[in-house]
Amino acid sequence: SAVISQKPSRDICQRGTSLTIQCQVDSQVTMMFWYRQQPGQSLTLIATANQGSEATYESGFVIDKFPISRPNLTFSTLTVSNMSPEDSSIYLCSVSGLFYNEQFFGPGTRLTVL
Amino acid sequence: KNEVEQSPQNLTAQEGEFITINCSYSVGISALHWLQQHPGGGIVSLFMLSSGKKKHGRLIATINIQEKHSSLHITASHPRDSAVYICAVLASKIIFGKGTRLHILP
Repeated sequence: SAVISQKPSRDICQRGTSLTIQCQVDSQVTMMFWYRQQPGQSLTLIATANQGSEATYESGFVIDKFPISRPNLTFSTLTVSNMSPEDSSIYLCSVSGLFYNEQFFGPGTRLTVL
Repeated sequence: KNEVEQSPQNLTAQEGEFITINCSYSVGISALHWLQQHPGGGIVSLFMLSSGKKKHGRLIATINIQEKHSSLHITASHPRDSAVYICAVLASKIIFGKGTRLHILP
């Protein structure tokens, strides 16, 4: 299994500012993902974080709004840029095991934008 | 129609009751996850199934691939079981249900 930590665990931010969320895994993993869970909704994949190259974004998500870095196999960051109240969500980092069927989730970052 | 449907959406029960949460899906899958999300937001993987039945403590998960249906059962439920339970299927990508909010009353 993989143990994932995220920082911060929660934050309250002002409209127009940006927040960077960090994800740290206790072992080297191939696949890292960033999800968003809006209130009352299911998880939505934002992007796959690729080590050493640009992230792969899902439809509806763009790099300018959600820049992602992954400098190595155990760490990634997601930035929520120019925030608006609609960005208020839980943001979750996830990694998959060797055979992809295994999926591990971080504790989440609860973001509130005023 | 969502590709993954869970029922019920909300469930309140008394401590000790037997709980069943259902998940139906409409796509071909290679595996199904049952996840537990506590109020803080963190998610814990309970089970990963591709066939049959798995048991862990008071939790039992079953899957019927032909009927495209899975159930999560909780025996002797306890207030600490109160959480959102999410079904997620692994198809060409992972597809999540909206979750079932369970509240166990002491």
